[in-house]
Amino acid sequence: AQTVTQSQPEMSVQEAETVTLSCTYDTSESDYYLFWYKQPPSRQMILVIRQEAYKQQNATENRFSVNFQKAAKSFSLKISDSQLGDAAMYFCAYRSEDAGNKLTFGGGTRVLVKP
Amino acid sequence: DGGITQSPKYLFRKEGQNVTLSCEQNLNHDAMYWYRQDPGQGLRLIYYSQIVNDFQKGDIAEGYSVSREKKESFPLTVTSAQKNPTAFYLCASSIEWWSNQPQHFGDGTRLSIL
Repeated sequence: AQTVTQSQPEMSVQEAETVTLSCTYDTSESDYYLFWYKQPPSRQMILVIRQEAYKQQNATENRFSVNFQKAAKSFSLKISDSQLGDAAMYFCAYRSEDAGNKLTFGGGTRVLVKP
Repeated sequence: DGGITQSPKYLFRKEGQNVTLSCEQNLNHDAMYWYRQDPGQGLRLIYYSQIVNDFQKGDIAEGYSVSREKKESFPLTVTSAQKNPTAFYLCASSIEWWSNQPQHFGDGTRLSIL
């Protein structure tokens, strides 16, 4: 079974600065998908960014980008120019190509943004 | 606007009582999911349904039951057999089980024990 590990329970960043959240996963598969979800205090899960394992190019969505290192099984999220609205829990998730749309989540990282 | 509606937002259960959490979607999605979230933890899959009249156990199905009689609806019943039901419950849907499109989530239901 796949496991997803987020080793940072909480990260703090100054407004307008950059913060990087780490995520590692364990899998024997070669084809899979990785996601970062944001959960603000409202508790709704919002998709931030996703990466297909077969793509070498790192995904980017506006101020959010990932550093996908397939050999190291690492999938970090970089938030640039942090804004107060970025304060939330961030979850890394793994989706197997062979198991349908079943997601395995990490334990989450809380991001605090200081004005 | 299309989306997923979960109700109620807050729910209280007495000892020995079954309670049902509602999840309705108007996205015309085939697949639906129920997750449980405990404080400070990630989401764990309870049940999922790939299509109407079909559902499968997830990682933590014991003490829960579901039905999928309509495409739009996937209610979750927390039975008295679930000894630690206090948690935040999230419902999600996706276009198809085998689609690589991401899941969409509802706003959640918080269940507490009286």
